Amino acid sequence: EVQLVEAGGGLVKPGGSLRLSCAASGFSFSGSTMTWVRQAPGKGLEWVSSISSSSVYIYYADSVKGRFTISRDNARNSLYLQMNSLRAEDTAVYYCGAHSSPPYYYYFMDVWGKGTTVSVSS
Amino acid sequence: DIQMTQSPSSLSASVGDRVTITCRASQGISNYLAWYQQKPGKVPKLLIYAVSTLQSGVPSRFSGSGSGTDFTLTISSLQSEDVATYFCQRYSGAPFTFGPGTKVDIK
Repeated sequence: EVQLVEAGGGLVKPGGSLRLSCAASGFSFSGSTMTWVRQAPGKGLEWVSSISSSSVYIYYADSVKGRFTISRDNARNSLYLQMNSLRAEDTAVYYCGAHSSPPYYYYFMDVWGKGTTVSVSS
Repeated sequence: DIQMTQSPSSLSASVGDRVTITCRASQGISNYLAWYQQKPGKVPKLLIYAVSTLQSGVPSRFSGSGSGTDFTLTISSLQSEDVATYFCQRYSGAPFTFGPGTKVDIK
């Protein structure tokens, strides 16, 4: 079964850090582009960051550039998002997504995880 | 950066109606456009990519069209299970921006 499972969300104070992870199974993780998308309460989808299959290409939204770092470990079939200097406006459900079918270099998502909730509040 | 807009922001239609949602890019994005459906409380689901290619398992009442800057998602005969918010996304180059969404419900 094709699956993405996020973990690592929680409540953190402004200025704090969190590390999200996303475990993949059932498809060629090492060949797939991976993306983080977030959704603030009652709002639309916001693209956060994407990474190519071999980590050569990494992209960030301006809203997180310099604060968030995306990475992946193809040996562990895992994607990560290190979030530093968190702000109240980072409060959202964070989804991990994959482009799991050929051609593998596109950045739309045909597989989505269920999401993990990040709350930034004092 | 290329901006994505959608219209309308919400609509209400009857079961069996033809529903059309528009997505517009501020600059040409060739055919690098995807559509997602997000039902209330659920995870987004890919419906269409490359403007008009239906993702496997998606009902044929969904279709996409357009080119360049103007794109359309059409539901040929609205069903009750289609109540959802629909988002477009460009993937022609970073940032891979989503549209603001169109909420569809039943009249």
